[in-house]
Amino acid sequence: RKEVEQDPGPFNVPEGATVAFNCTYSNSASQSFFWYRQDCRKEPKLLMSVYSSGNEDGRFTAQLNRASQYISLLIRDSKLSDSATYLCVVYSGNTGKLIFGQGTTLQVKP
Amino acid sequence: DAGITQSPRYKITETGRQVTLMCHQTWSHSYMFWYRQDLGHGLRLIYYSAAADITDKGEVPDGYVVSRSKTENFPLTLESATRSQTSVYFCASSERLQTSGISETQYFGPGTRLLVL
Repeated sequence: RKEVEQDPGPFNVPEGATVAFNCTYSNSASQSFFWYRQDCRKEPKLLMSVYSSGNEDGRFTAQLNRASQYISLLIRDSKLSDSATYLCVVYSGNTGKLIFGQGTTLQVKP
Repeated sequence: DAGITQSPRYKITETGRQVTLMCHQTWSHSYMFWYRQDLGHGLRLIYYSAAADITDKGEVPDGYVVSRSKTENFPLTLESATRSQTSVYFCASSERLQTSGISETQYFGPGTRLLVL
């Protein structure tokens, strides 16, 4: 079983739609959680951190459920520019390593 | 503001040849990382370095060698390239936090696309 698992998609949604991505992780000792965004053929970039209480950044909402070892990302009012691959990332504090999921591809259509 | 750069951006080589991918960062970040990205696997850690002259293996180190004589440079060498090493290679760096010693945010270079024939 992979340490971080995501549904690869692709998710095809119309502009303005709300879309949610899920991610599960296997190491219960994982300390920190993130969503990175990767545009086609480009490098990954940090989108947002995920906090236990849930956090929001504009149209993006991230949530963490430690008991279920589950992370989610909600995108409201999707824009064409949101089309990308979203990587679920888990951080192991004792090693300083990030563990990446395979990514979920989002395609927003006009 | 150069940030983190990689060279070459594209490379075609033949099986058995030695190839070195370069990574340079201008932030003086303590940590540097090499990943490869393949369809179906996502990003996998090859090697990482906590500081100059300190390196350690990641998830898929076989067939690769790294060095870190200077904080800003972290070259990755494929000693004898194989077709299975055809991939996109990303270098990343992160700073050392005073409290925990490790930063959680990594900054990635633009990647090197390597094709081994």
